[in-house]
Amino acid sequence: AQRVTQPEKLLSVFKGAPVELKCNYSYSGSPELFWYVQYSRQRLQLLLRHISRESIKGFTADLNKGETSFHLKKPFAQEEDSAMYYCALAKVNGQNFVFGPGTRLSVLP
Amino acid sequence: GAGVSQSPSNKVTEKGKDVELRCDPISGHTALYWYRQSLGQGLEFLIYFQGNSAPDKSGLPSDRFSAERTGGSVSTLTIQRTQQEDSAVYLCASSLQGAYEQFFGPGTRLTVL
Repeated sequence: AQRVTQPEKLLSVFKGAPVELKCNYSYSGSPELFWYVQYSRQRLQLLLRHISRESIKGFTADLNKGETSFHLKKPFAQEEDSAMYYCALAKVNGQNFVFGPGTRLSVLP
Repeated sequence: GAGVSQSPSNKVTEKGKDVELRCDPISGHTALYWYRQSLGQGLEFLIYFQGNSAPDKSGLPSDRFSAERTGGSVSTLTIQRTQQEDSAVYLCASSLQGAYEQFFGPGTRLTVL
């Protein structure tokens, strides 16, 4: 069965420090992986997807099939990055997205 | 253009009552998802509609929960005989088709007293 884990419920870093939000998954096929973000009082929205190989707001994520991980990284955190981050996995045929439990990132001044 | 809309934004009900939550997806989106977000919990998948295919109901927590999607557009999530543990934010999302970016609605906050 598909499963997504995010080991940290809360991650606090100081402004300017590097940040890494961990995501591990279990899935026997070829996964599609995503990071979604929810800022305070805003809707949940897509941050980035592994297939696009893009950097959004300074964030990147690399799919490591050997370690079954899709960690989200940013070299220099900003206060506006404070939000709830969800890692998500979808089967290639798109059915049944599975979201991780989420990590709340708090960037301190 | 208009995003995903949900109504009502807030719903307070008494234990044992039935409730209906509505989702209007983005026009042209064939995939529609319902999720539940409980305090301190992540997103719990409930049900997935894709075009005219049979919905994936594997996430519905009990037979008190049901959902339908009429005409491939608007969807209604119905919870019968509500319980206090049903209190949560119910999120709807739509996408062009599965595995594409999901666009989320603002959610309906359900409180069961």
